[in-house]
Amino acid sequence: QSALTQPASVSGSPGQSITISCTGTSSDVGYYNYVSWYQQHPGKAPKLMIYDVSNRPSGVSNRFSGSKSGNTASLTISGLQAEDEADYYCSSYTTSNTLVFGGGTKLTVL
Amino acid sequence: EVQLLESGGGLVQPGGSLRLSCAASGFTFSNYAINWARQAPGKGLEWVSVISGSGGSTYYADSVKGRFTISRDNSMNTLYLQMNSLRAEDTAVYYCAKEEAARHILDAFDIWGQGTMVTVSS
Repeated sequence: QSALTQPASVSGSPGQSITISCTGTSSDVGYYNYVSWYQQHPGKAPKLMIYDVSNRPSGVSNRFSGSKSGNTASLTISGLQAEDEADYYCSSYTTSNTLVFGGGTKLTVL
Repeated sequence: EVQLLESGGGLVQPGGSLRLSCAASGFTFSNYAINWARQAPGKGLEWVSVISGSGGSTYYADSVKGRFTISRDNSMNTLYLQMNSLRAEDTAVYYCAKEEAARHILDAFDIWGQGTMVTVSS
């Protein structure tokens, strides 16, 4: 149950777009379309931003989008805003009937 | 309002036990699988366990298998996590989290509690 691989940090200026990658294996990200993305502000609980690779829950801005190719999923945030600064985690269902999170990516809005 | 509220955290010695609770409201509790996830101080999220809506299916992370037991009381809308043989590395904020879709399991978690802190230390 190794964690999915995410970059430790990414940054961008307001209005720009950034992409966070999430790399797994053929036993998790590559096998199922059960990849989710969570946003977590300091001291707060995580918030679901994307589920099933590319679906947005009600209330989540359409500036957030998700995709997947092979064993790598991606979260793209367009039109960066100051409030997007947070930690982001991906997750995936695995063939072992478990769930694995990524190590997390700290997004800094410059 | 859909809500989850954890309780039961605290300070426990290595080798000790603790039972966490998660009270649910605002949705039909028995229709949804519920998970426990944790986050060690300054670290990332780690999935711990899940139980199906009926309670008939349970799954655990290797790191807690054989030591932790997840259960639920659908008549009380409450989820539990019995933690035995606790280790220093179990120190974390523990969250309960509801599956986004009814009858799905280990997919996406749309509602999270505020978390309860568990500290394992002598």
